[in-house]
Amino acid sequence: GQSLEQPSEVTAVEGAIVQINCTYQTSGFYGLSWYQQHDGGAPTFLSYNALDGLEETGRFSSFLSRSDSYGYLLLQELQMKDSASYFCAVEAYGQNFVFGPGTRLSVLP
Amino acid sequence: EAQVTQNPRYLITVTGKKLTVTCSQNMNHEYMSWYRQDPGLGLRQIYYSMNVEVTDKGDVPEGYKVSRKEKRNFPLILESPSPNQTSLYFCASRQGTNEQFFGPGTRLTVL
Repeated sequence: GQSLEQPSEVTAVEGAIVQINCTYQTSGFYGLSWYQQHDGGAPTFLSYNALDGLEETGRFSSFLSRSDSYGYLLLQELQMKDSASYFCAVEAYGQNFVFGPGTRLSVLP
Repeated sequence: EAQVTQNPRYLITVTGKKLTVTCSQNMNHEYMSWYRQDPGLGLRQIYYSMNVEVTDKGDVPEGYKVSRKEKRNFPLILESPSPNQTSLYFCASRQGTNEQFFGPGTRLTVL
């Protein structure tokens, strides 16, 4: 079957750095995406990795290791508004997308 | 404004009563998709479409139908809803890049 694993919850303080890991097992792999979802809202796109390495977008960075079937999202200089759920997602065969169960990030003052 | 719209946003219905959730995008995207979101399970793909008249099953297609007669619209049809289809549904679209744009969601309750 296809599965992605993420920690269910992470807590950090304002200004800190937090890393959210994602491991995947899917039939086919084109790339790993990350989405943010605030309570009551829709998911919004954060980043995408198709190749190994680090992609940086402002305070957010995302890393991929295809050989390890592993990636992570790194959030720096945490702000209260970063409190949300974060989902990793794999584009598997064709354009079938498989999402992880989500990680709820709580940022404390 | 570029957006994905869904209607209705909230729906309470009864078992067996056919319903349709509409999805429309104004970005001329070729790819559209439906997901359901349940606590602890993340988003699960129901159906997706790579273009007009081209649809394919996602991971949880049972009990759902879709159609793609026009590029902008991708309705989700539940011919005989059951309580296990109570969920939060999201429509999404994308074009070329890997960024999917999600609609605001439809919260469906089947009694």
